[in-house]
Amino acid sequence: DQQVKQNSPSLSVQEGRISILNCDYTNSMFDYFLWYKKYPAEGPTFLISISSIKDKNEDGRFTVFLNKSAKHLSLHIVPSQPGDSAVYFCAAMEYGNKLVFGAGTILRVKS
Amino acid sequence: DVKVTQSSRYLVKRTGEKVFLECVQDMDHENMFWYRQDPGLGLRLIYFSYDVKMKEKGDIPEGYSVSREKKERFSLILESASTNQTSMYLCASRPTIVGGGTDTQYFGPGTRLTVL
Repeated sequence: DQQVKQNSPSLSVQEGRISILNCDYTNSMFDYFLWYKKYPAEGPTFLISISSIKDKNEDGRFTVFLNKSAKHLSLHIVPSQPGDSAVYFCAAMEYGNKLVFGAGTILRVKS
Repeated sequence: DVKVTQSSRYLVKRTGEKVFLECVQDMDHENMFWYRQDPGLGLRLIYFSYDVKMKEKGDIPEGYSVSREKKERFSLILESASTNQTSMYLCASRPTIVGGGTDTQYFGPGTRLTVL
């Protein structure tokens, strides 16, 4: 039973436009959420995170939104750049416990 | 600069062979993890270790074992490799979470293992 779901396997966006990647979770005990980015032949790298006490966290072009009542979070990338093309993993954690990852979404930014 | 290294980028083994995947981190992190990444399944935790000589099963430990004799090194062992263990294996490390700290894990580049 997948506790973290990324229902879109892939997303294609034009350079300069907004990319929105979505993630749903089922475990209401999760209190911390992260996004990782992965390029081919490299390990995932941390991108941005959000605590359950917040509903928004922003870092440059990247913003993560959390809707606890809907058990949903999203990552917005504005403006999208070709270098953003990668696999994006959503991950969630219950404090002190292990991370649970989603299946990933492949983002392609076309120039 | 944070660094996690894995012994091989690509590995080809035969069914039944014993396989060792090595991971070394230079950040003095207490916690280390082994994941496998498969299309459509994301990253799944195999084993993790929160201290030297300590290990805990993750979500899919069957067919695997681990060894942590030194803080910086965490080895994943496939006792008898099978074709369904063909995958990308990723090692990660992180410091112990204190108070409201985060769980930012640092990943190695991965080992692409093919079992024939």
